[in-house]
Amino acid sequence: QVQLVQSGAELKQPGASVKVSCKASGYTFKDYPIHWLRQAPGQGLEWMGWINAGNGRTKYSQRFQGRVTFIRDTSANIVSMELRSLRSHDSTVYYCARFSGIYEAFDFWGQGIMVTVSS
Amino acid sequence: DIVLTQSPLSLPVAPGEPASISCRSSQSLLHDNGYKYLSWYLQKPGQSPQLLIYLGSNRASGVPDRFSGSGSGTDFTLRISRVEAEDVGTYFCMHALQTPFTFGQGTKLEI
Repeated sequence: QVQLVQSGAELKQPGASVKVSCKASGYTFKDYPIHWLRQAPGQGLEWMGWINAGNGRTKYSQRFQGRVTFIRDTSANIVSMELRSLRSHDSTVYYCARFSGIYEAFDFWGQGIMVTVSS
Repeated sequence: DIVLTQSPLSLPVAPGEPASISCRSSQSLLHDNGYKYLSWYLQKPGQSPQLLIYLGSNRASGVPDRFSGSGSGTDFTLRISRVEAEDVGTYFCMHALQTPFTFGQGTKLEI
């Protein structure tokens, strides 16, 4: 069955960087793009961007442009996200999600990673 | 950016009663291919969102038929014919017409 398993919670200091991962299984990794989203506690969802798991091309939300990088490892079926220059408002839950081009929707989600930015 | 506005933001419903959530878009979500690029998700407490409805009106795999979606290019509705206890959570609409994808604020359904 399709699964997206994300790495564990992170605690970072302001100004630092965080790298989180999303391991895909149960389907052909290169066939589906992976998107990253985030959600502050009790708040709505914010789209950060996506990576084409086949060719590695990326598109980032303007809000995060220059501060975020997505990479993929096709040998391990892992997509990673690095967010730099962390600030307190980056303390949220980060999700990876598989995007279906047939449904034009996110059909599978990771379990979420809590990133806390605090000194 | 496309703005999605959901209403109501809070929805108390008795078990067995129907429920309805509205999602209005600041611009048409009707793609040139004739499909409406609007989906609905349910986020149960402590869980990741799960897909309920895609392309405006299609139920995702495993979604009970008490859930239905409808709508025009800018006005969409999620309906639950008879609410059950397991339907508690926050419902989000989302568009995928163009980047950035955006979400409604969420509607919290309580029993």
